[in-house]
Amino acid sequence: DAGVIQSPRHEVTEMGQEVTLRCKPISGHNSLFWYRQTMMRGLELLIYFNNNVPIDDSGMPEDRFSAKMPNASFSTLKIQPSEPRDSAVYFCASSPGGGGYEQYFGPGTRLTVT
Amino acid sequence: SQQGEEDPQALSIQEGENATMNCSYKTSINNLQWYRQNSGRGLVHLILIRSNEREKHSGRLRVTLDTSKKSSSLLITASRAADTASYFCATDAVKAGNQFYFGTGTSLTVIP
Repeated sequence: DAGVIQSPRHEVTEMGQEVTLRCKPISGHNSLFWYRQTMMRGLELLIYFNNNVPIDDSGMPEDRFSAKMPNASFSTLKIQPSEPRDSAVYFCASSPGGGGYEQYFGPGTRLTVT
Repeated sequence: SQQGEEDPQALSIQEGENATMNCSYKTSINNLQWYRQNSGRGLVHLILIRSNEREKHSGRLRVTLDTSKKSSSLLITASRAADTASYFCATDAVKAGNQFYFGTGTSLTVIP
């Protein structure tokens, strides 16, 4: 199994540009999570999908952030417009179930907004 | 916040020594998990302990859970340089659905 796949691994963009991060979860997993990690705030849960449906997006910082999961094998996290404070490492994780199951993390996307 | 807090924030030990990290949380939980993160990598699951369990072992790892004190500890015995990483606890609060909330992490350095 290839594990959770994220792309791109690194993204450098200018303030105001649109950024799209992509995630392919492990086949058969029905839960998908997007996290953001920074030195100041640690690891923050942004949004959680179960069976492709967003269950909790209370961690999404503001309207500039949006996430979709059109099918069981693909999810996107979009930032439009991007700002320097969005610079962080964004992780996608999948799980075969909910809280009672371990999460499998992707390698992350390091986003730098200048 | 339902986020856990690890203690200490940083720990430095000699290879062969034991390392103990603690996690405290705020609300009743169903499960607590420990994860490891090597620099520049994603998190890797280490062990899960359910709220009705008090202790669990996996290789050189020993996890305890005290729900009355809302705390957990992770013990790594006979540490190795390869154990150098950040360690996080993650809790799923009873009322929070299925998602986990991660703590702030303990940075462990094992000196060869």
